[in-house]
Amino acid sequence: GQNIDQPTEMTATEGAIVQINCTYQTSGFNGLFWYQQHAGEAPTFLSYNVLDGLEEKGRFSSFLSRSKGYSYLLLKELQMKDSASYLCALRSNDYKLSFGAGTTVTVRA
Amino acid sequence: EAQVTQNPRYLITVTGKKLTVTCSQNMNHEYMSWYRQDPGLGLRQIYYSMNVEVTDKGDVPEGYKVSRKEKRNFPLILESPSPNQTSLYFCASSPWRVAKNIQYFGAGTRLSVL
Repeated sequence: GQNIDQPTEMTATEGAIVQINCTYQTSGFNGLFWYQQHAGEAPTFLSYNVLDGLEEKGRFSSFLSRSKGYSYLLLKELQMKDSASYLCALRSNDYKLSFGAGTTVTVRA
Repeated sequence: EAQVTQNPRYLITVTGKKLTVTCSQNMNHEYMSWYRQDPGLGLRQIYYSMNVEVTDKGDVPEGYKVSRKEKRNFPLILESPSPNQTSLYFCASSPWRVAKNIQYFGAGTRLSVL
């Protein structure tokens, strides 16, 4: 089975940096994904980590430590449009995907 | 345009009246999946399919059925809906057995069972 924890809510100011943590326990790790979901819309892919380290993609970066069961998503230079839910998702060895409950980020002017 | 299409987008029904939510993808993906999303619980997988005629239970399969007779279609069937199945449903597809098998989601179906 899989257990995924992430904070429920975070608030930050426009232009700031926010780090969303995700901790997990799994019997078979095969990749970690981050998805963004705006209210009332479908999730969309943001990033993917399978090896330890940092993956950078524009204003968004994601980090993974498999030994610690830990990942974070870093959002830099926050914009109002970044207000959304951010979902941490774990892929197991059978390619099943399990999602955390999501972190709602509110960006304030 | 590559997409996953779900229908209907909104549905209000009554307890016990069978319904089907359709899902179709045009990306030739092997893997398709159904999720339900409820406040505070996140996305939970109902059923998934790794290819035609291959389906498996996810975390919350009770009360649902699926079929995969064609690669592009993966309908979700509620034989006797109950109020606890009121939820937001997403269909998703992805390539199978590639390292970065990104899930592409449909727009969602908001179901209310009265």
